[in-house]
Amino acid sequence: QSALTQPPSASGSPGQSVTISCTGTSRDVGTYNYVSWYQQHPGKAPKLMIYEVTKRPSGVPDRFSGSKSGNTASLTVSGLQAEDEADYYCSSYAGTNKGVFGGGTKLIVL
Amino acid sequence: QVQLVQSGAEVKTPGASVKVSCKASGYTFTGSYLHWVRRAPGQGLEWMGWINTNTGVTSFAQKFQDRVTMTRDTSVSTAYMELNRLRSDDTAVYYCARDLGGRYVFWGFDFWGLGALVTVSS
Repeated sequence: QSALTQPPSASGSPGQSVTISCTGTSRDVGTYNYVSWYQQHPGKAPKLMIYEVTKRPSGVPDRFSGSKSGNTASLTVSGLQAEDEADYYCSSYAGTNKGVFGGGTKLIVL
Repeated sequence: QVQLVQSGAEVKTPGASVKVSCKASGYTFTGSYLHWVRRAPGQGLEWMGWINTNTGVTSFAQKFQDRVTMTRDTSVSTAYMELNRLRSDDTAVYYCARDLGGRYVFWGFDFWGLGALVTVSS
């Protein structure tokens, strides 16, 4: 399984929206609706932000939303806040009981 | 509340093995799959595999297929990940994470341990 492709960094000013992409293949993102997104602050464990492409766990602000088109999934953060600055990772089911993560995107709040 | 408590940091020499534990509480241990994920310094998250905590069935990423073992002891609600033939590039923080799918793998990891740092150095 090859890692999903994410941009190394993304940035936006407080209050703006930013979208992070996650590109896979027809063997993972393109076929399965098991795409998740995780937020990780330095020295902390990852936190689930989105699962099954668009679903938000309880407690995650609705400023975070997910979508998918073809082989590319996206995470949009609206109304950027300072505490949103973190690393973000996508993951997907890749068939035959395997999973795969993206390389991660560092979100910078300017 | 759901908690996953992992064992402490380890320092190993190349070629050795390491066994990391993950003790679950706050939910029915055998009711959810557990995944193992690692993050090497300066790198991203890497999925290693999962264990069905009810049956003991496992699935591993191809990269670790011949070096990793995942087991569980239901009597103490604890899962274990053992990585053999350690190399310097195995230096990483190793996390256990619960799958939110219950009886099925939904590939969403809703609770995570704090991680166990494994350092491989001669």
